[in-house]
Amino acid sequence: GAGVSQSPSNKVTEKGKDVELRCDPISGHTALYWYRQSLGQGLEFLIYFQGNSAPDKSGLPSDRFSAERTGGSVSTLTIQRTQQEDSAVYLCASSDTGSTDTQYFGPGTRLTVL
Amino acid sequence: DQQVKQNSPSLSVQEGRISILNCDYTNSMFDYFLWYKKYPAEGPTFLISISSIKDKNEDGRFTVFLNKSAKHLSLHIVPSQPGDSAVYFCAASDLRGYSTLTFGKGTMLLVSP
Repeated sequence: GAGVSQSPSNKVTEKGKDVELRCDPISGHTALYWYRQSLGQGLEFLIYFQGNSAPDKSGLPSDRFSAERTGGSVSTLTIQRTQQEDSAVYLCASSDTGSTDTQYFGPGTRLTVL
Repeated sequence: DQQVKQNSPSLSVQEGRISILNCDYTNSMFDYFLWYKKYPAEGPTFLISISSIKDKNEDGRFTVFLNKSAKHLSLHIVPSQPGDSAVYFCAASDLRGYSTLTFGKGTMLLVSP
């Protein structure tokens, strides 16, 4: 079956612009996660959704970052007024129920802020 | 402060030999551990996991060992194959009702023919 998909695969933007990153999880997966990987770093947790609600937003680095999930499926991560330090690969993962289920990752969106 | 540490950024091994990737953690609340493999331009893929009630889990050529007292786990790949060349991430969860993962920085494994 189809895996987790993300779009765009690459995004180059200018400092100060807003960007939207999209994640389509595996059909039927109730849990959805956003992570980011900056150069030379491990994956950093950003936000977790269970259904459409986000019980854990603790990883969002600033109020310029927000995310939503609609219909228990697609999620959008929005970064407002992008800064150069936002440059990273943004990864989305989904899992069946969000407990110890394996998280399946998408290929990521590489964001470059000039 | 990093809660999951992979102190070796890279490891080179010859085909057929054993690869041992190490991971240390500091958070004593972690009780579920996973290894992910990542190829360039792809998302990480799940490899193997272990819960804290076990000290070993084996799946084919891959074995994960957990030493809770030392807060240390390791991934053994034997025999190593060139297709195993990838970045390996160690991850941990404290099972707060959901499994948000804390990742290490990864170890790049290169298996040469």
